Amino acid sequence: AQKITQTQPGMFVQEKEAVTLDCTYDTSDQSYGLFWYKQPSSGEMIFLIYQGSYDEQNATEGRYSLNFQKARKSANLVISASQLGDSAMYFCAMRERSGGSNYKLTFGKGTLLTVNP
Amino acid sequence: GAVVSQHPSWVICKSGTSVKIECRSLDFQATTMFWYRQFPKQSLMLMATSNEGSKATYEQGVEKDKFLINHASLTLSTLTVTSAHPEDSSFYICSAASEIRGLGETQYFGPGTRLLVL
Repeated sequence: AQKITQTQPGMFVQEKEAVTLDCTYDTSDQSYGLFWYKQPSSGEMIFLIYQGSYDEQNATEGRYSLNFQKARKSANLVISASQLGDSAMYFCAMRERSGGSNYKLTFGKGTLLTVNP
Repeated sequence: GAVVSQHPSWVICKSGTSVKIECRSLDFQATTMFWYRQFPKQSLMLMATSNEGSKATYEQGVEKDKFLINHASLTLSTLTVTSAHPEDSSFYICSAASEIRGLGETQYFGPGTRLLVL
């Protein structure tokens, strides 16, 4: 079963507007972490924001904020004041224990965001 | 902080040769490193988890004899694709785990290596 679901293969937004990228997750663990990464066409994976399962407040990092709704198991990324440089692939990921003391990340299929001038 | 380098960034090789990719954490020590592979327009798929000084843990379906992983120090892990074939052509990305930002274990990624096997 898919653990991370990103239902939007592609999204378009006008420059300077806000955009929300959806992410839902599935886990039976009480302790987990949720991440968003940005992957521009160059291929590098850039860490954007993190939300811990016990964090009561939504995470924010500059123009990025994470709308965490634990009961709905959703962790949507909100980008405010979009810039042309925000055009990229965005991946939602969940950190879970993989056995012993190791953790691993499970990624969604990604959302390709295009910012129009 | 939390910079990860990967070398080489591009490799083109003939079928049957072996290719070695290095992953280094430049400004932090990483007891755990990860190797992923990504096909065009797809997500990252974890290949293996590498702990310093011990054998790597491979994901189901990944051939450990084909993809040799060595994690000899706290800042260096290597992936060797042995006897590469065209179907091994892909984008290989490593990551190194750190808790330096107080977010729990967070993975920081290298820039990736594009492998093309002719």
